[in-house]
Amino acid sequence: SQKIEQNSEALNIQEGKTATLTCNYTNYSPAYLQWYRQDPGRGPVFLLLIRENEKEKRKERLKVTFDTTLKQSLFHITASQPADSATYLCAFYSSASKIIFGSGTRLSIRP
Amino acid sequence: DTGVSQDPRHKITKRGQNVTFRCDPISEHNRLYWYRQTLGQGPEFLTYFQNEAQLEKSRLLSDRFSAERPKGSFSTLEIQRTEQGDSAMYLCASSLPPQGLASTGELFFGEGSRLTVL
Repeated sequence: SQKIEQNSEALNIQEGKTATLTCNYTNYSPAYLQWYRQDPGRGPVFLLLIRENEKEKRKERLKVTFDTTLKQSLFHITASQPADSATYLCAFYSSASKIIFGSGTRLSIRP
Repeated sequence: DTGVSQDPRHKITKRGQNVTFRCDPISEHNRLYWYRQTLGQGPEFLTYFQNEAQLEKSRLLSDRFSAERPKGSFSTLEIQRTEQGDSAMYLCASSLPPQGLASTGELFFGEGSRLTVL
């Protein structure tokens, strides 16, 4: 079955540095990947989508890459700020209608 | 539109009782999803509606779980004979189908209904 893997360990980095989160998938070739942010006790919020024919997508301080050979997406936050601290989830459509999520990576930015 | 709303936000119940959650999606969205999330895990797909039709249901979902979307608008998720393992956050999301290059097919989530089974 399709599977998404994210680093389950929390990522702690210094303010101002670039945070890089990894999403690996198996047993599927998604046409596109989505990234969401989730704050404690809240529902996830959509951030970015990247399609299989796009190597890279940017939005303000966010950058997402998609390597269909490695079956991997990387999510970067440049010039990180304490307000970026949250859990980040990757997801894809495993069928025409069903979206499955990874377990998420908790990011903590220390001042 | 104020987004996806869920009710109640918190529910504490005793084992064996039935509970029902309600979700009001964004009005123009024809797709509605239910997910379950436990601490430290990502949202786990439960079921999906397109308009009033329930088109997909997780194989992991026991017969104690049932969902409806009677008029293609709001939806309810009922859990019968609750067990302690049902304790989780139940998330509802709605979306439009992904169409065209400009579409992201993103899910718009509510704030969730947290269930605690004692």
